[in-house]
Amino acid sequence: DVKVTQSSRYLVKRTGEKVFLECVQDMDHENMFWYRQDPGLGLRLIYFSYDVKMKEKGDIPEGYSVSREKKERFSLILESASTNQTSMYLCASSLIFLRTSGGAGVVETQYFGPGTRLLVL
Amino acid sequence: KQEVTQIPAALSVPEGENLVLNCSFTDSAIYNLQWFRQDPGKGLTSLLLIQSSQREQTSGRLNASLDKSSGRSTLYIAASQPGDSATYLCAVQYTGGFKTIFGAGTRLFVKA
Repeated sequence: DVKVTQSSRYLVKRTGEKVFLECVQDMDHENMFWYRQDPGLGLRLIYFSYDVKMKEKGDIPEGYSVSREKKERFSLILESASTNQTSMYLCASSLIFLRTSGGAGVVETQYFGPGTRLLVL
Repeated sequence: KQEVTQIPAALSVPEGENLVLNCSFTDSAIYNLQWFRQDPGKGLTSLLLIQSSQREQTSGRLNASLDKSSGRSTLYIAASQPGDSATYLCAVQYTGGFKTIFGAGTRLFVKA
């Protein structure tokens, strides 16, 4: 069974604090993702990583950075937390099982962690 | 712009009823479409994944269909149970990249 764990289920921080959210997967997956989920907006991709030290911006990277020093661990960093970053943060991982001749990969099903509910006061 | 829409946003049905959840997406250039289940305050659990070359997938009481030409997918749940109460999300992976676009979900309540 794939297991994706996140360091905290609930987190309360103050405006301006630097916040670290950690995600660990135990299945040697190449891809890891960070999403935020807000009511009525669905999941929005913040960043993803397709290999160690490799990262790509998602749809809403502003105010966030990421770090992937080891294959199993993907960290999301809020450089200076703001109230509009109050949200549910979900981490996911997946394998690439097919690469097209154009270089783009087809991502297998994503496995999600339990989420971190962050409140910024 | 690539978008995924789910209607209705919420649905309440009595136990035992068969029901259909709808998902529509713009742009038919997709790799796959996936249905997830999310329980309150929890992460997402994959239910069914349909590759772009497939028409449907089945797992137990669940059946998901895909019509790329019309940009639609449906998730059929047979003989609903209170334990099916959750939010169901549709997600589409488009060609040309790793990005997966999620719908906002349909919140399902099954009353005993």
